[in-house]
Amino acid sequence: EVQLVESGGGLVQPGGSLRLSCAASGFTFSSYWMSWVRQAPGKGLEWVANIKQDGSEKYYVDSVKGRFTISRDNAKNSLYLQMNSLRAEDTAVYYCARELAAAGTGLGYWGQGTLVTVSS
Amino acid sequence: SYELTQPPSVSVSPGQTARITCSGDALPKQYAYWYQQKPGQAPVLVIYKDSERPSGIPERFSGSSSGTTVTLTISGVQAEDEADYYCQSADSSGTHRVFGGGTKLTVL
Repeated sequence: EVQLVESGGGLVQPGGSLRLSCAASGFTFSSYWMSWVRQAPGKGLEWVANIKQDGSEKYYVDSVKGRFTISRDNAKNSLYLQMNSLRAEDTAVYYCARELAAAGTGLGYWGQGTLVTVSS
Repeated sequence: SYELTQPPSVSVSPGQTARITCSGDALPKQYAYWYQQKPGQAPVLVIYKDSERPSGIPERFSGSSSGTTVTLTISGVQAEDEADYYCQSADSSGTHRVFGGGTKLTVL
């Protein structure tokens, strides 16, 4: 069974940093693109970043470029999101997600999400 | 930046057909995906590559594409289909994903 479990969320002051983790199990982690998607309270979904199987390609939404870094450790079956210079507008539930099957088949598996609150 | 446009809300009676549209300039070049999200839950993929249905998704969910608009159709809507629905695609380069603003489906 595919499982994605996010952790690392919490309350952080504006300008602070946080590192989110996503522990993957039930599949060959190194075979899939992985993504982070966020959802601000009461708002819609926003794609944040994704990373290729070997980490050689990474893409970000413009609003986090230069502040967030996506990475993965295939040996540990883990996905990460390093978030720096956090702003109030980064407050959201952050989901880790995997392609359904091959690349281009959509985000077929999601974690339960971890809440990040940026506030003083 | 690239945007996908969805109607904020759609309402239908049980047993009727609901159609949710999503418009974007790159949709003729990029596949569309549809997600269902119920309150307090993670999204669920209901359509991929414009019209394919993942295993376990009821046949009443279907997708279609025409030019710069894609459509999610739910035939014979049931009360349990009441949820937020999001389209998702990519910009013309294919590297940056984007979600539509979401459509709240209300079953009257």
